[in-house]
Amino acid sequence: DAGVIQSPRHEVTEMGQEVTLRCKPISGHNSLFWYRQTMMRGLELLIYFNNNVPIDDSGMPEDRFSAKMPNASFSTLKIQPSEPRDSAVYFCASSSGSHISGNTIYFGEGSWLTVV
Amino acid sequence: QKEVEQNSGPLSVPEGAIASLNCTYSDRGSQSFFWYRQYSGKSPELIMFIYSNGDKEDGRFTAQLNKASQYVSLLIRDSQPSDSATYLCAVNHSGNTPLVFGKGTRLSVIA
Repeated sequence: DAGVIQSPRHEVTEMGQEVTLRCKPISGHNSLFWYRQTMMRGLELLIYFNNNVPIDDSGMPEDRFSAKMPNASFSTLKIQPSEPRDSAVYFCASSSGSHISGNTIYFGEGSWLTVV
Repeated sequence: QKEVEQNSGPLSVPEGAIASLNCTYSDRGSQSFFWYRQYSGKSPELIMFIYSNGDKEDGRFTAQLNKASQYVSLLIRDSQPSDSATYLCAVNHSGNTPLVFGKGTRLSVIA
């Protein structure tokens, strides 16, 4: 089975440009999470969706960040305008919410963003 | 504020030894506890999860949970150089809520 698929894998962009990161969760999973990882702050939750509905976006750093999940198989995270401090690895993850699996979440390969 | 604390390391152990990784958490209502391994430049991958007090064994890995002390640990027996990675502890409160991650402990197994 395909895992969580993210694109692009790597992106280098100039400050002020719009960045769009994409994610396809594992089929059948009803929860989707966007995390950001940096050396200083570790893995931070930005936002998560249950059944395509945003539940908690309190981790979104500021209004420059937005996320959507128009259907069960696709989500985007957008940064507009981007700034150098947004440079990080952005992980998308999904979960079936099954107690049998302990509510395990599965990560995509990550999108490595560099803003210069 | 739900927090998960880990010693950042690096923790260095010789090949064949037991590596012991520790984690504490602040939310007493937490229900599920996870250990992920992350190799440099890669995404976190699940090693195992535990939700009952006591030990849970899976091959060379043993997770230990003590809810009274709000403490979870991971033991790696017969450590191999391929175990060298960052180990992330994560905690889940309930249901489809997100995992809260510690910053990870970097383990180095010396051949």
